[in-house]
Amino acid sequence: KNEVEQSPQNLTAQEGEFITINCSYSVGISALHWLQQHPGGGIVSLFMLSSGKKKHGRLIATINIQEKHSSLHITASHPRDSAVYICAVTPPGTGNQFYFGTGTSLTVIP
Amino acid sequence: EAQVTQNPRYLITVTGKKLTVTCSQNMNHEYMSWYRQDPGLGLRQIYYSMNVEVTDKGDVPEGYKVSRKEKRNFPLILESPSPNQTSLYFCASASGAVYEQYFGPGTRLTVT
Repeated sequence: KNEVEQSPQNLTAQEGEFITINCSYSVGISALHWLQQHPGGGIVSLFMLSSGKKKHGRLIATINIQEKHSSLHITASHPRDSAVYICAVTPPGTGNQFYFGTGTSLTVIP
Repeated sequence: EAQVTQNPRYLITVTGKKLTVTCSQNMNHEYMSWYRQDPGLGLRQIYYSMNVEVTDKGDVPEGYKVSRKEKRNFPLILESPSPNQTSLYFCASASGAVYEQYFGPGTRLTVT
């Protein structure tokens, strides 16, 4: 079962390019999370959103609840953005249950 | 410093030898979770806890036990580890059901 699908699986970009990573989900949700995992393995939460759009620095996350789709955008990409980006959803009424996408591996070339 | 700690960070063990991976958070969070991460499968939730003495199964609970006797600690217990439990394990905590999660550094477990 794949409640959360991400695309693309792998992405290579030149420094400075605008990047979009997509996430589609098949269940109702109370929140959607974008996570970042660097090659060293540590995982950091970038965004949590349940509607609309959030921005943090060069990162923008949007969600369309009706279409069950979210996008993560990176403007003016930089080699330090190279990481795996993971989408996760929390269904409503399930406490702290999470379903994860398999991640998008991003490499930004100088 | 707000953090989630896990110990050990690396562990190599043999089939059937009981082990415990500890997880502790210093943020007074109510919610804690355990995940495993495997190539091609991504992160999968093993167990989660919404408060002291309140735990529930995630997607892949078989072969694992947890307990939540104190708010800050959420140990993961493998009573009889098997090679298919070789994985990278993460603990995480959050202040609520739909709040940002804070992840520990991970524990790489190898069962031979």
